[in-house]
Amino acid sequence: GAVVSQHPSRVICKSGTSVKIECRSLDFQATTMFWYRQFPKQSLMLMATSNEGSKATYEQGVEKDKFLINHASLTLSTLTVTSAHPEDSSFYICSAQGQGWLGGYTFGSGTRLTVV
Amino acid sequence: AQKVTQAQTEISVVEKEDVTLDCVYETRDTTYYLFWYKQPPSGELVFLIRRNSFDEQNEISGRYSWNFQKSTSSFNFTITASQVVDSAVYFCALSEGPGNQFYFGTGTSLTVIP
Repeated sequence: GAVVSQHPSRVICKSGTSVKIECRSLDFQATTMFWYRQFPKQSLMLMATSNEGSKATYEQGVEKDKFLINHASLTLSTLTVTSAHPEDSSFYICSAQGQGWLGGYTFGSGTRLTVV
Repeated sequence: AQKVTQAQTEISVVEKEDVTLDCVYETRDTTYYLFWYKQPPSGELVFLIRRNSFDEQNEISGRYSWNFQKSTSSFNFTITASQVVDSAVYFCALSEGPGNQFYFGTGTSLTVIP
């Protein structure tokens, strides 16, 4: 079946630094990738949608200059949290979409970011 | 606009009891897809089921069963003879189709007490 790999699974960084999270589709081409954020004991909220080769579309309230998304290939999307602050501490999870449901619409295992 | 409501925030049951997790959704689309995911403490989302709006047949998979009723816009999930390993947060979600985002409910935290 379709597999989405997300790394790192857990990261701790200092306030003011940047962190990059990778999301890879291992056995299918992901034409669209979604990035979600989940605060403790809350639901998953969409941050942005990215299509390969084009700029990401951000949800209202999500700072595009702070959360940089790159979807340069059909198998890789990255989310970079720039100048991270403690309030950015959250669980970030990606989801990859291929051709129809059969092409895979699966979630990565998530990245738990802690900014200290 | 799409919306998914899981009214039960937390549920506790004793092992071997049956438990039903409720999910109510809103959408104006005639074609849509409903999902259930399990999220253990480690955080990853474990896919349980996908249903499309044209298939109202109930489904059973082992101890899991799902009841989809378009008339009440509900897609409820029942675990029969619950086990401690069923303890997790369960999310119901809605999507308009491939290439579209998921709309998640707020989740139901299930604790199965041994």
